[in-house]
Amino acid sequence: NAGVTQTPKFQVLKTGQSMTLQCAQDMNHEYMSWYRQDPGMGLRLIHYSVGAGITDQGEVPNGYNVSRSTTEDFPLRLLSAAPSQTSVYFCASSYFGTLNTEAFFGQGTRLTVV
Amino acid sequence: KNEVEQSPQNLTAQEGEFITINCSYSVGISALHWLQQHPGGGIVSLFMLSSGKKKHGRLIATINIQEKHSSLHITASHPRDSAVYICAVIKLFKSSTNTGNQFYFGTGTSLTVIP
Repeated sequence: NAGVTQTPKFQVLKTGQSMTLQCAQDMNHEYMSWYRQDPGMGLRLIHYSVGAGITDQGEVPNGYNVSRSTTEDFPLRLLSAAPSQTSVYFCASSYFGTLNTEAFFGQGTRLTVV
Repeated sequence: KNEVEQSPQNLTAQEGEFITINCSYSVGISALHWLQQHPGGGIVSLFMLSSGKKKHGRLIATINIQEKHSSLHITASHPRDSAVYICAVIKLFKSSTNTGNQFYFGTGTSLTVIP
């Protein structure tokens, strides 16, 4: 049981480049989500998914794309990187319909867009 | 206005001191988490509670549902406790297609414990 595996840990991109952040969990969680963490702003929800084939936008979805083809994987795509997307990104998973569910987080990806 | 407010934002303490971090929220919730994030590290869950008090070693978390307030206490603080502590609430939400629980996060409290 590896929990939530998030890669890469660090990434530097040039403006306009695209990339995919990978997130996988082996706990059979329905709910997976992506957050960005910026100084003084806490964790903000980018996109989330409540099951395979179902995704929805969070608070700050612009410039990001997601898909959920399997229960285990929830990749985040940056379509055309911008300096404003420099941030630390976290993937998280949990059970969805259950009250008092615990969240499990990936190790984070520190992304710099130059 | 953020639905989850934490105080203080930054806290410096001497080793051995008793530390309190506060969290207030403005919405009805089903549960609350306290999370810990070490510098350059991932986020781990310390506590999940929906009523009363929980204790793990030197850490104690309390919640008052009526007052919409939770506190995280650290007794006999140690430099290894230096981290960012994040309060997160679980709230029921409904979208056009789904109903379930979602997390809302405070901005975190950065704790530094000096030897």
